[in-house]
Amino acid sequence: EAGVAQSPRYKIIEKRQSVAFWCNPISGHATLYWYQQILGQGPKLLIQFQNNGVVDDSQLPKDRFSAERLKGVDSTLKIQPAKLEDSAVYLCASSLVGIPEAFFGQGTRLTVV
Amino acid sequence: GENVEQHPSTLSVQEGDSAVIKCTYSDSASNYFPWYKQELGKGPQLIIDIRSNVGEKKDQRIAVTLNKTAKHFSLHITETQPEDSAVYFCAARGNYGQNFVFGPGTRLSVLP
Repeated sequence: EAGVAQSPRYKIIEKRQSVAFWCNPISGHATLYWYQQILGQGPKLLIQFQNNGVVDDSQLPKDRFSAERLKGVDSTLKIQPAKLEDSAVYLCASSLVGIPEAFFGQGTRLTVV
Repeated sequence: GENVEQHPSTLSVQEGDSAVIKCTYSDSASNYFPWYKQELGKGPQLIIDIRSNVGEKKDQRIAVTLNKTAKHFSLHITETQPEDSAVYFCAARGNYGQNFVFGPGTRLSVLP
């Protein structure tokens, strides 16, 4: 069974530029999460989807971050404009509805210079 | 909201020894407690989990214990091997639909 796929693996951008990350969850997983992991810290939830609906986006900085999951499968996370403090690994995870186990992708390492 | 603390932040053990990592949580409604292993440059990998209706769970060299009254849970790794070296994260989750809250992580080094 294929795992959670994320791209790109690495991205370097200048501050005030925009960037987008893509995630394809495990087949059949209706719940999808985006996490931000700053170096040396645990992952912090940005947004949680179930199918194409948002379950929790309370910690998403909505002035610069946006995410969508239009067809209830893959998802994109966008940052515009990026700030230096956005440098982190962005992790995507997915799970089945009603099952608590979540599985993570390898992440996208973003460096803002 | 939920708050998860994790200790120690770093842990070094000799190969073959045991390692124990402890976590505490604040929300008594949390009922699912996974442990993730993260190797350098990779995403977190689920290694074991426990639900609130169980006190202990084992999987080969790994075990997790849960004390609901004290609101703490622990990861136990026996007969450690160099490939166990990684950062380990505990997490807590409430009822279905709530997100995971992660601890800050423990960097485990197994010395040959």
